[in-house]
Amino acid sequence: NAGVMQNPRHLVRRRGQEARLRCSPMKGHSHVYWYRQLPEEGLKFMVYLQKENIIDESGMPKERFSAEFPKEGPSILRIQQVVRGDSAAYFCASSEPGRIYGYTFGSGTRLTVV
Amino acid sequence: RKEVEQDPGPFNVPEGATVAFNCTYSNSASQSFFWYRQDCRKEPKLLMSVYSSGNEDGRFTAQLNRASQYISLLIRDSKLSDSATYLCVVIPNNAGNMLTFGGGTRLMVKP
Repeated sequence: NAGVMQNPRHLVRRRGQEARLRCSPMKGHSHVYWYRQLPEEGLKFMVYLQKENIIDESGMPKERFSAEFPKEGPSILRIQQVVRGDSAAYFCASSEPGRIYGYTFGSGTRLTVV
Repeated sequence: RKEVEQDPGPFNVPEGATVAFNCTYSNSASQSFFWYRQDCRKEPKLLMSVYSSGNEDGRFTAQLNRASQYISLLIRDSKLSDSATYLCVVIPNNAGNMLTFGGGTRLMVKP
């Protein structure tokens, strides 16, 4: 049973380009969470999704960021027109619905904006 | 005031030492508590859950004091491999399953 899979592991984008980060949850998990870790800071919650539905996006920046978790395929975190301040590690986790527990994170995507 | 506060350290200790980390949280209605470990440039990994009765896992002991809104982690007989950043994590009440992280405490165990 593979864990949470994220790709790419590293992503380099020029300012103004788009970044697409993918997250495949653990088998049987229908809920996905995205967190961002800026350099030298702790993780910050961004968005919580279940398949085809956004549950909570209170941690998402209002502009340029969007997330989806389609019925088929991985969850996608999309950042449009990236800026240097978007450079960070983006971690994804998944869980079964209705359970409260410390879940497992994927290995993350390190985004560098040049 | 931050929701979850930790001393960033670093704590520099010799092998074999006992070291303790503390964490305070602001939301008195918080329902679940954890310690995670994060190695440099890696994902955070769940170390242990924290219960009011206290819990122990080998060399690691976690305690929760709800009255003082305080969580602790004690590491006995430190190993070089314990060097990492330790993250205090809280699930606030009515937050579903969203984790609130402290900034982390860095531990360096020296030979």
